[in-house]
Formats: sequence, C-alpha cells, structure tokens
Amino acid sequence: ETGVTQSPTHLIKTRGQQVTLRCSSQSGHNTVSWYQQALGQGPQFIFQYYREEENGRGNFPPRFSGLQFPNYSSELNVNALELDDSALYLCASSFMSDTQYFGPGTRLTVL
Amino acid sequence: GENVEQHPSTLSVQEGDSAVIKCTYSDSASNYFPWYKQELGKGPQLIIDIRSNVGEKKDQRIAVTLNKTAKHFSLHITETQPEDSAVYFCAASSFDSWGKLQFGAGTQVVVTP
Repeated sequence: ETGVTQSPTHLIKTRGQQVTLRCSSQSGHNTVSWYQQALGQGPQFIFQYYREEENGRGNFPPRFSGLQFPNYSSELNVNALELDDSALYLCASSFMSDTQYFGPGTRLTVL
Repeated sequence: GENVEQHPSTLSVQEGDSAVIKCTYSDSASNYFPWYKQELGKGPQLIIDIRSNVGEKKDQRIAVTLNKTAKHFSLHITETQPEDSAVYFCAASSFDSWGKLQFGAGTQVVVTP
C-alpha cells in the first residue's frame, strides 16, 4: 500500500467539458507529479508540484493545469476536453527525492 | 530530452524460469532508473530502483543491472511465479529533472504454470 489516493476512480465526460482530478500524497511527501497513461502505453509526465509551485512540465498544452495545496494534496484540471484526453491519470508523490510512489489512478473517458 | 526504449514488448515464461527485460536510454545525464510493476486496473508499483553509482542491485528474486557506458539497464526476475504476471515499466530521470520520469513502453510478462 503506497498511501497515495486519487479520486474519483472513474469519470465520463463529453468533448469540450472541464474536469478536475484529485490526489492526496503519501504522508510526509511534499512533491506531487501527474502522469497521463494512454491504453497500452507507458505513463507520460504532465507536470510536478513542489511547495505549491509548478516545478517542471512535460509536453502538454496549457489547458492542462494544476494546483498543490498547503497539505501537499493536488488537483489536475483539464479544460476543453478532447477525445484523446481519454486515459488513466496517475498521481505520484515523493519527498525531496526522485523515488516516486503512484496512486491507483483515475480513469477518464471522453465521449 | 530523454528517450527510453524497452524490449521485449511481450514475454511469456514457464513458471520457475527466469525473465529478463532490457531498456536503453539516450540522456547521458540520467542517473536514476526505477522499475515499476503494473497489474490490471492498478497504478504502477515500484519494485526496485538503481542509481548511476551502482552497477547491480538485488532484492530477493529481482535484480537490476546498469551499464552506463552502453546506456542500458535490465530487470532480471528469477524463479518466476504466476503472480509475477503483469506489465513492467522501466524509467529514467536525471539529476536536473529529478522526479520527471521518462518511461519505456512496457513489457507484458505472462508466467504460465
């Protein structure tokens, strides 16, 4: 059990809508990273948050945005959803380290 | 940026045999190489990792080797069991981008009794 939790488990949206995914980091961890995993592929880095600031971003457009809260939990927001946004969204937490522990993910389906 | 290639994409082994998965990376600055196991419907689980100052690391039936000169690293699973069946991912990150893992495409391992 990694201690990282994500909500919701599953989500269905339609094109053009907006979605917010949530992540609670493992106790004691201050860094949260978000990844997108399309079916049959490896996770792709979206961005990382440390001390409530974005600390690096992958090749994702600005409609992917995030927040980190004082308790180190985090949100991923995606605006103007597209069909290709359908994927498993993974949150990973760490503490001052590159060693990351993943949550179970949120399965997003865009129709 | 970093590019990680992983082979094979699928691997079928008899229970008790060994399994080997290989990855290559492109960025010579990469210094951290974790391996994750992902079961159906679950998030990736860290099973072992290695840093660039170490050539080999073992944890019970699992071992990882790193060849910095050739820029490749491998996962070795000995005495495979049916519960080892899963998708395995290698990943890499560098000191100046720690936490930003670049993943391989994954290897589906099937262990048949």
